[in-house]
Amino acid sequence: EIVLTQSPTTTAASPGEKVTITCLASSSVSNMYWYQQKSGASPKLLIYSTSSLASGVPDRFSGSGSGTSYSLTINTMEAEDAATYYCQQWSSNPPTFGSGTKLEIK
Amino acid sequence: EVQLVETGGGLVQPGNSLKLSCATSGFTFSTAWMNWIRQTPGKRLEWLAQIEDKSNNYFISYLESVKGRFTISRDDSKSSVYLQMNNLKEEDTAIYYCTWSGNYGYNSFDYWGQGVMVTVSS
Repeated sequence: EIVLTQSPTTTAASPGEKVTITCLASSSVSNMYWYQQKSGASPKLLIYSTSSLASGVPDRFSGSGSGTSYSLTINTMEAEDAATYYCQQWSSNPPTFGSGTKLEIK
Repeated sequence: EVQLVETGGGLVQPGNSLKLSCATSGFTFSTAWMNWIRQTPGKRLEWLAQIEDKSNNYFISYLESVKGRFTISRDDSKSSVYLQMNNLKEEDTAIYYCTWSGNYGYNSFDYWGQGVMVTVSS
C-alpha cells in the first residue's frame, strides 16, 4: 500500500501568516486529496484532485503537487483554520491517509 | 443539505459482533458510492470498505485486514448503508464514519457522518 508521510507533524502560525503542509507518497500518485478536521468534528473535504477547492472552501486554501510530492497551502492563516489536516490518495488500493498535521494558532 | 447519520455503536466484548447503520439524505443515494472509514484513538484514519451503486452491480471492496470479518451492504429503498462487524478485536476500537463518494469523482470522501464510537473491551 502507498504510505503518505506528512510534515510537519505539528505547527503553529500567527494570523495572516502563510502555512504550507507537505505530503510525500511512497510511490507516485496521480492526485491528492486534503481534509480538515476540527476538534470534536468529523473530517471535511477541502481539496480534491490535487488543486480543486471543494464547495464552500475559502480561496485562501490551495493545493499543488505531482508524482510523490504534494502540498496544501493556507495563504493567510485565520483563527478558524486551527485544525488537523490529512492528505489522502486513491491512485492504488487501498486508499490511504497521511498521519495528519496539527495546525495551531499563535 | 447532505446528512449522514451513523448509529449502532457501543461497548462490545472481544469476539462479539456489532452492526452499524448509516441513514442518509440530501443526495441521490441510489447512484452514490458509500464507504466506511474509522479513526483510531491515535487519530489515524483507515478506510475499511466501499460499496458501489447498482449500475456497477454493487461492487464491493475491502481493506485486506478486515476482509472476512466485516461486511458492507446497502438498502437503496432506505438510503442506508450498513457495516456488519464480526469477531471484533480490541484493535477495532475506533470512531466509525460513513462517507459518500461521488460528488467530486469516486476517489475522495466527499461528505462524512458525525461518526459512531465502537469500543471493544472485556
